[in-house]
Amino acid sequence: GAGVSQSPRYKVAKRGQDVALRCDPISGHVSLFWYQQALGQGPEFLTYFQNEAQLDKSGLPSDRFFAERPEGSVSTLKIQRTQQEDSAVYLCASSPGGGIYQETQYFGPGTRLLVL
Amino acid sequence: SQQGEEDPQALSIQEGENATMNCSYKTSINNLQWYRQNSGRGLVHLILIRSNEREKHSGRLRVTLDTSKKSSSLLITASRAADTASYFCATDEKHFNKFYFGSGTKLNVKP
Repeated sequence: GAGVSQSPRYKVAKRGQDVALRCDPISGHVSLFWYQQALGQGPEFLTYFQNEAQLDKSGLPSDRFFAERPEGSVSTLKIQRTQQEDSAVYLCASSPGGGIYQETQYFGPGTRLLVL
Repeated sequence: SQQGEEDPQALSIQEGENATMNCSYKTSINNLQWYRQNSGRGLVHLILIRSNEREKHSGRLRVTLDTSKKSSSLLITASRAADTASYFCATDEKHFNKFYFGSGTKLNVKP
């Protein structure tokens, strides 16, 4: 079946611009995660949804970052007034149950964001 | 904020050799997972080992976990060029219910 998809795959933004990154998880997956991965580093947790509920947003680096999953499937990560330090790959992952980290996460290909 | 630290940072071996990567972490965990990332397939889950397990196998992969030393190792036997990738450990931190990836080991398998 289809895996996790993300769009766009690449995004170039001018500093100060708002961006929206989309994640389509595997159909029926309860849990959805967003991560930020800087070049040469491991992914860093941003936020977690169980269905439409955002249960953990402790990893969001500032109030310019906002994520939603209104119907419990597709999720959008929005970054307002982008800064150069926001340049990174943004990864989305989903997992079948609500057991948060007790099970395999399936990752999308990521969106590579470059802020000029 | 990354809890896991992989060692070595980079590893270059010949095809057919074994590759061993180590991961150390700082706090009590529920489980530890290993992931592989390459440009072709993105980040892929390899294996999960729970805190009450000491060793797990999956195909050519062998993972050990020593909770007293807060460390894990990933062994890839009979490596192939297709194993070339970055390998990350990820820990599910017990008390704060957080999930952390390490900084990764970059493995290059030369044909």
